[in-house]
Amino acid sequence: EAGVVQSPRYKIIEKKQPVAFWCNPISGHNTLYWYLQNLGQGPELLIRYENEEAVDDSQLPKDRFSAERLKGVDSTLKIQPAELGDSAVYLCASSPGGPAGEQYFGPGTRLTVT
Amino acid sequence: GDSVTQMEGPVTLSEEAFLTINCTYTATGYPSLFWYVQYPGEGLQLLLKATKADDKGSNKGFEATYRKETTSFHLEKGSVQVSDSAVYFCALRETGANNLFFGTGTRLTVIP
Repeated sequence: EAGVVQSPRYKIIEKKQPVAFWCNPISGHNTLYWYLQNLGQGPELLIRYENEEAVDDSQLPKDRFSAERLKGVDSTLKIQPAELGDSAVYLCASSPGGPAGEQYFGPGTRLTVT
Repeated sequence: GDSVTQMEGPVTLSEEAFLTINCTYTATGYPSLFWYVQYPGEGLQLLLKATKADDKGSNKGFEATYRKETTSFHLEKGSVQVSDSAVYFCALRETGANNLFFGTGTRLTVIP
């Protein structure tokens, strides 16, 4: 069974440019998460989807970040415009759903903003 | 609010040494507790978990016991190997909730 797929793995952009990250969860997983992991820190939740509905986006900086999960499968996280402080690893995870479902993580996208 | 405090690293051990990575937590309810491991270039993987007080999670020679009286979930392994070199994250999830709260991670390097 394929795991959570993320692309790109690495991205370098200049500040004020837009950037997008893509995530394909494990087949059949209804719940999808985006996390932000700063250097030397643990992951922090940005947004959680149940199918196509964003059920927890309280930590998503909505002035520059947006996300979508059309059709309840793949998801895209976008930053526009990027700032230097956005340099981090963006992790996607999925779970079968329900509060007891184990979360499976993708390898992440490492973003560097110059 | 919920939080996890993890032993700061990095930790460097010789092969076959004993490992302890401390983790304490603050939670409003009765959380489940987890240890995740992140090998170089890979995503986080669940290493072990415990869902109630006094439960012991174990996997791949690693163990951690859910201690409610000390709000702790320390990770231990009796004899580490070079292949255990990774970053280890302690995390909690409140009962009935989906979201995980992670500690800052502890980098372990095992030298031959």
